Amino acid sequence: DADVTQTPRNRITKTGKRIMLECSQTKGHDRMYWYRQDPGLGLRLIYYSFDVKDINKGEISDGYSVSRQAQAKFSLSLESAIPNQTALYFCATSDLRTGGAQETQYFGPGTRLLVL
Amino acid sequence: QKEVEQDPGPLSVPEGAIVSLNCTYSNSAFQYFMWYRQYSRKGPELLMYTYSSGNKEDGRFTAQVDKSSKYISLFIRDSQPSDSATYLCAMSADSGGSNYKLTFGKGTLLTVNP
Repeated sequence: DADVTQTPRNRITKTGKRIMLECSQTKGHDRMYWYRQDPGLGLRLIYYSFDVKDINKGEISDGYSVSRQAQAKFSLSLESAIPNQTALYFCATSDLRTGGAQETQYFGPGTRLLVL
Repeated sequence: QKEVEQDPGPLSVPEGAIVSLNCTYSNSAFQYFMWYRQYSRKGPELLMYTYSSGNKEDGRFTAQVDKSSKYISLFIRDSQPSDSATYLCAMSADSGGSNYKLTFGKGTLLTVNP
């Protein structure tokens, strides 16, 4: 089984609808992230969480909210979806590393979201 | 100027060619340099990691970092069709003792033709 799973894998919704994307991990990592990927813009960080009680905004958090239900689960919500939120969304996890050690981020397979 | 610049390609090469992928950056605080590979309809996966300047080799892949020029490269020798993917450079600075905050390039789409 995959270490980082995302549901749904594909979603089509309409403008104004609320939608939730879910991420689960079995890697035992404390840190979890949500990114969106757009053609020509690369990967951009939406929110990140260092543990269940520590949630932080990334560079493009407007229009999104998150919930860290448990160490292994991190959900992303679009309260009122709009067409420019059409993108590929990735969840990632990592474990704290310091002193020059690599803090590798492991990505899920992505959710392809289309907002009409 | 964006923090990280990467030519999106696409880049198409014949099997067996040497591939050179590059990124430039403007933030002199970056110390951690990574290359991720992303196959179509998959999430990115870490391919190479380098801390500070220098070279690192792993099989057919070599990563180079030149901090004086703010330039990083990934070389793929004897390229194979299975290397066809989008390659993303990523960088981070030391942030409170951790290096979690990645800044990504836009990615270069590589196709290796049999």
